[in-house]
Amino acid sequence: KQEVTQIPAALSVPEGENLVLNCSFTDSAIYNLQWFRQDPGKGLTSLLLIQSSQREQTSGRLNASLDKSSGRSTLYIAASQPGDSATYLCAVTSNDYKLSFGAGTTVTVRA
Amino acid sequence: SQTIHQWPATLVQPVGSPLSLECTVEGTSNPNLYWYRQAAGRGLQLLFYSVGIGQISSEVPQNLSASRPQDRQFILSSKKLLLSDSGFYLCAWSVRTGNTIYFGEGSWLTVV
Repeated sequence: KQEVTQIPAALSVPEGENLVLNCSFTDSAIYNLQWFRQDPGKGLTSLLLIQSSQREQTSGRLNASLDKSSGRSTLYIAASQPGDSATYLCAVTSNDYKLSFGAGTTVTVRA
Repeated sequence: SQTIHQWPATLVQPVGSPLSLECTVEGTSNPNLYWYRQAAGRGLQLLFYSVGIGQISSEVPQNLSASRPQDRQFILSSKKLLLSDSGFYLCAWSVRTGNTIYFGEGSWLTVV
């Protein structure tokens, strides 16, 4: 069974600092990995999707890397802003197409 | 463009009462549809998914059920709610299994 872990559970940084969010998974036989953002009391917004054959994906200030063999992905957010404050979740699609979510990292960017 | 609508946004129901949460998707045909539950501080738990009308797969045995009466409509139901059914319920869709998954705004259910 795929287990997805996100450490740390919470993170607080001053505005302008780069954010590094970690995601690890136990079964490296994955189809893809997705990063989501969730604002309090809201649904999830898809940020990036990395296929298993890719090493990274970029969108604006966001960059996600994938090291499938070691079971890790990292989401980098450059030059953080207060508007980046949210919970970030990673989700792994296994080769049986089942999606497993981590519990998320709650980010607070201090102005 | 595709949109997903989920309602009601919040619901307070007594123990033993029925439940119906509805979800519709616009702008696409034959989507995969999903119901997830999110407990506080925990990851999302897949409850049901559907790859077509009338095709429902259940991931977790419980007193909830799902139905897909139309191509882009997904309904989560219960005949008798339990206190443990309280939580944040999210509907989602994807073009195909394994593709990017898109979520609705969620429904807060409090069973009292």
